[in-house]
Amino acid sequence: GQQLNQSPQSMFIQEGEDVSMNCTSSSIFNTWLWYKQDPGEGPVLLIALYKAGELTSNGRLTAQFGITRKDSFLNISASIPSDVGIYFCAGQNYGGSQGNLIFGKGTKLSVKP
Amino acid sequence: DAGVTQSPTHLIKTRGQHVTLRCSPISGHKSVSWYQQVLGQGPQFIFQYYEKEERGRGNFPDRFSARQFPNYSSELNVNALLLGDSALYLCASSQRGQMGYTFGSGTRLTVV
Repeated sequence: GQQLNQSPQSMFIQEGEDVSMNCTSSSIFNTWLWYKQDPGEGPVLLIALYKAGELTSNGRLTAQFGITRKDSFLNISASIPSDVGIYFCAGQNYGGSQGNLIFGKGTKLSVKP
Repeated sequence: DAGVTQSPTHLIKTRGQHVTLRCSPISGHKSVSWYQQVLGQGPQFIFQYYEKEERGRGNFPDRFSARQFPNYSSELNVNALLLGDSALYLCASSQRGQMGYTFGSGTRLTVV
């Protein structure tokens, strides 16, 4: 099935460092979403972006919806141990009570205390 | 308020068997979607239902089917199980099927 190109696949960083990950697609989307998934759990929504060029923050997290509508990035500032997990981007085109999500393969984040 | 609840949490089945997975959406949510997440991959869309009607179907074989009940809960059925069907099956609900999906914790299916 279709999946978005998400990079990097994994990151191993020191606590306190900033993190950046991005996602690209060959198709345009009218919504970009970023999720975090912990082991044994479902994905939890971190940030939703609805407009090309939009820059949105949620605490230490900042995400942007690319101007071309084919890409998005997520930054995490001053990482802490609880940031550990797998981060997924997802693109969505919705309309008429439907709107399935297309996910990336994920970025696995490990944080050294 | 309860979130999206899925049952069972874990399941082991034999090749060729049939399985039914269940999902209860958040109260007030009328849309339910199903996703398959194979280890090391992102979730893949299987079905979306809104107001008991199928609104979308992903690229999965006809062995996969689903339905939504009048109380908006949903079942995912998989027939003639293959080893490759082993995965985490996620259910997500939203109010109207467009935005604001909330995922459940999933059902871990192992086919042996």
